[in-house]
Amino acid sequence: EAGVVQSPRYKIIEKKQPVAFWCNPISGHNTLYWYLQNLGQGPELLIRYENEEAVDDSQLPKDRFSAERLKGVDSTLKIQPAELGDSAVYLCASSLGRASQTQVGNEQFFGPGTRLTVL
Amino acid sequence: AQKVTQAQTEISVVEKEDVTLDCVYETRDTTYYLFWYKQPPSGELVFLIRRNSFDEQNEISGRYSWNFQKSTSSFNFTITASQVVDSAVYFCALSDPLQGAQKLVFGQGTRLTINP
Repeated sequence: EAGVVQSPRYKIIEKKQPVAFWCNPISGHNTLYWYLQNLGQGPELLIRYENEEAVDDSQLPKDRFSAERLKGVDSTLKIQPAELGDSAVYLCASSLGRASQTQVGNEQFFGPGTRLTVL
Repeated sequence: AQKVTQAQTEISVVEKEDVTLDCVYETRDTTYYLFWYKQPPSGELVFLIRRNSFDEQNEISGRYSWNFQKSTSSFNFTITASQVVDSAVYFCALSDPLQGAQKLVFGQGTRLTINP
């Protein structure tokens, strides 16, 4: 079974330029996550999707970050314009969706991430 | 708010030594999940274990074992007879029940280096 696919693996851009990251989750996984991982830190959630709906985007800097998950499968995370402080690894993860309130704690499967360097 | 603390930033041991990675968590909730993930140099986080708050039994999987103690809010991870391939960054994480347990709060990670 294929894992979570992300592209590109590496991206170097100059500040103020736009950038986009793409994620293809594991087939059948309804829940998709985007995380930000700064150097030497644990991942921090940016946004979570349940199918097409963004159910938690409280940590997403909406002035420059946007995300979409059309058709409830692939997702794109965009930054426009990028700033120096955006240099980090952007991780995508997926998990089975909640069938009920009792179905909790599903493990999340992570992709390899996109390492962004803003110069 | 939920919080996970991994006080050990880096650990370095010689191959075949046993090593324990500490994880202390904070939560006001009675129902929650704890996780351990491994992040090798390739960057992909690999799921190791999930433990719910009602199950305090320790678990062993090969050379890996986990000690969950609610009394001290700890969920420690021990690797027995470590190998070079165990070198990675290890993250402990706590689920946030307010988000339906789908939101993970990660610790800062412990970088483990196993020297031959």
